[in-house]
Amino acid sequence: AQSVTQLGSHVSVSEGALVLLRCNYSSSVPPYLFWYVQYPNQGLQLLLKYTTGATLVKGINGFEAEFKKSETSFHLTKPSAHMSDAAEYFCAVSSLGGATNKLIFGTGTLLAVQP
Amino acid sequence: DTEVTQTPKHLVMGMTNKKSLKCEQHMGHRAMYWYKQKAKKPPELMFVYSYEKLSINESVPSRFSPECPNSSLLNLHLHALQPEDSALYLCASSQGLGIGATNEKLFFGSGTQLSVL
Repeated sequence: AQSVTQLGSHVSVSEGALVLLRCNYSSSVPPYLFWYVQYPNQGLQLLLKYTTGATLVKGINGFEAEFKKSETSFHLTKPSAHMSDAAEYFCAVSSLGGATNKLIFGTGTLLAVQP
Repeated sequence: DTEVTQTPKHLVMGMTNKKSLKCEQHMGHRAMYWYKQKAKKPPELMFVYSYEKLSINESVPSRFSPECPNSSLLNLHLHALQPEDSALYLCASSQGLGIGATNEKLFFGSGTQLSVL
């Protein structure tokens, strides 16, 4: 079975500060890992994804994440937070095979950005 | 057009009502999905259609009935729902290339906020 654990349901940072949102995964097969963002009253938007290859993945809006197999982690970072980054962030995992994506989401981290 | 359009945005229904949620995309995607999201919780997969055929049903109660009449449309028919079914219902679509494909990406609609009284 696959799962992801997001540490910290709420994270608060100051504008301009580093953003670090933590995600650890559990998977018996090579995982595919994703970060999604959800703004209030909106659907989810893909920030970035790791499938194979380079372990440092760059996404939209200045976010990036590093796949660390030894730590079973896929933490999301952004060097400098912006007010518009305030949203709910979900880490997700999926597995190889099939023509469809069966994503399993973590419980989410609500990011607040203080002025 | 990179949008997934869901209607209605809000729906209030009684436990004896029959209603339908609609989802539409014109990106040529061949995989479409229904997710259920309770407040303060992550989305949970309900159904997946691949090339208009139901490929995944996550043991969803029969009071939820999906339908994919063509490659652009996805419906979710609701009947005899319970108050605990109140949630945000999200539709998504993807090309259907397979999860590992570089260009495979889920596009989500904004959802239908459903309240069952």
